[in-house]
Amino acid sequence: DAGVIQSPRHEVTEMGQEVTLRCKPISGHDYLFWYRQTMMRGLELLIYFNNNVPIDDSGMPEDRFSAKMPNASFSTLKIQPSEPRDSAVYFCASSSPWTGKNIQYFGAGTRLSVL
Amino acid sequence: GQSLEQPSEVTAVEGAIVQINCTYQTSGFYGLSWYQQHDGGAPTFLSYNALDGLEETGRFSSFLSRSDSYGYLLLQELQMKDSASYFCAGYQTGANNLFFGTGTRLTVIP
Repeated sequence: DAGVIQSPRHEVTEMGQEVTLRCKPISGHDYLFWYRQTMMRGLELLIYFNNNVPIDDSGMPEDRFSAKMPNASFSTLKIQPSEPRDSAVYFCASSSPWTGKNIQYFGAGTRLSVL
Repeated sequence: GQSLEQPSEVTAVEGAIVQINCTYQTSGFYGLSWYQQHDGGAPTFLSYNALDGLEETGRFSSFLSRSDSYGYLLLQELQMKDSASYFCAGYQTGANNLFFGTGTRLTVIP
């Protein structure tokens, strides 16, 4: 398997613009997680899905953020409108409970810069 | 809530042994994982402790003591490539998400 695939790898946008980040989890994994990483706040869980259903979105900062998982092989994280404080690295991860070790496999991340 | 504390930085000499500690405060805790992250890279899984005691995987070992709300990652025969950030992460009963610690930046020097 190619692992968790995220796109784009880098995104530079201007304040107020809409940003869409994409993620393809590992085939067969039924959990998908979106994280945000900054120097100040570390690695924060934004939202996670189980079998395409959002389970916990308490980490989503505000209404400007939304996430969807229309099928088992695709998820998006959207920021509208974007603000400079959204600049961060956004990671997607997937896991399967059947491994017995609750391993989360992370994508390479999307580095977002909002000017 | 969940809180996992780690030292922010550790420096060690190549070939030596280093221990990175993690103390946690959480309700319903049921397991502790460790992840490694190189600069510019993604976190990658190292080890998982579901039970008290030591788990060994090559040069890496991880330890958990539930009674002390404490765990550590032990890296032996340090190599320059081990320079990275290391995160402990806790699981909470009934949830399948990870709560990451503050991270420890390990620098290995010659």
